[in-house]
Amino acid sequence: DSGVTQTPKHLITATGQRVTLRCSPRSGDLSVYWYQQSLDQGLQFLIQYYNGEERAKGNILERFSAQQFPDLHSELNLSSLELGDSALYFCASSYQGDTEAFFGQGTRLTVV
Amino acid sequence: AQSVTQLGSHVSVSEGALVLLRCNYSSSVPPYLFWYVQYPNQGLQLLLKYTTGATLVKGINGFEAEFKKSETSFHLTKPSAHMSDAAEYFCAGRAGNTPLVFGKGTRLSVIA
Repeated sequence: DSGVTQTPKHLITATGQRVTLRCSPRSGDLSVYWYQQSLDQGLQFLIQYYNGEERAKGNILERFSAQQFPDLHSELNLSSLELGDSALYFCASSYQGDTEAFFGQGTRLTVV
Repeated sequence: AQSVTQLGSHVSVSEGALVLLRCNYSSSVPPYLFWYVQYPNQGLQLLLKYTTGATLVKGINGFEAEFKKSETSFHLTKPSAHMSDAAEYFCAGRAGNTPLVFGKGTRLSVIA
């Protein structure tokens, strides 16, 4: 158990809908990262938050947004969903930006 | 810019044989390098990491990796494969305070 908790584990929704994925980092970790894993693209970095502030942005679509709350949990919001958004979404956390990241079990999103 | 390349999307070895998974990196600054393992329907688990100091790093489950700056490589090895080693392995790197960048992954199959 990495200590990073993601909910829900599975999500099935229709095209055009909006969903929210939740992540609770390890106790004491200030950085939260979101990654998307798909068969064709591999593991793609989406966005990083550090202590409530956006720290880095990767290949995140404009339809996607994220935030980190004062209690350090994070949410990834995906809107106007398309079939191609079906993927595993991972959250990871670390104490400082220059150490390893610990991953949650992921949320499997299926858009139908 | 940091990039990580894993050579071979699929490696198959016999039980008891040497495991060698290849990873090369490119970085404009000294990198931090990591190997993660992903079992089916699970998150990523850290196997080992290189930050500074000793270039041969030992990880969990008998794996080790050697950082070779002259070859820009960080190959993962295990002297004797076990059936339980069958999984997807990801090499990842970061330069300084940047987010982790992952290779495409190598699926390891172990044949009895």
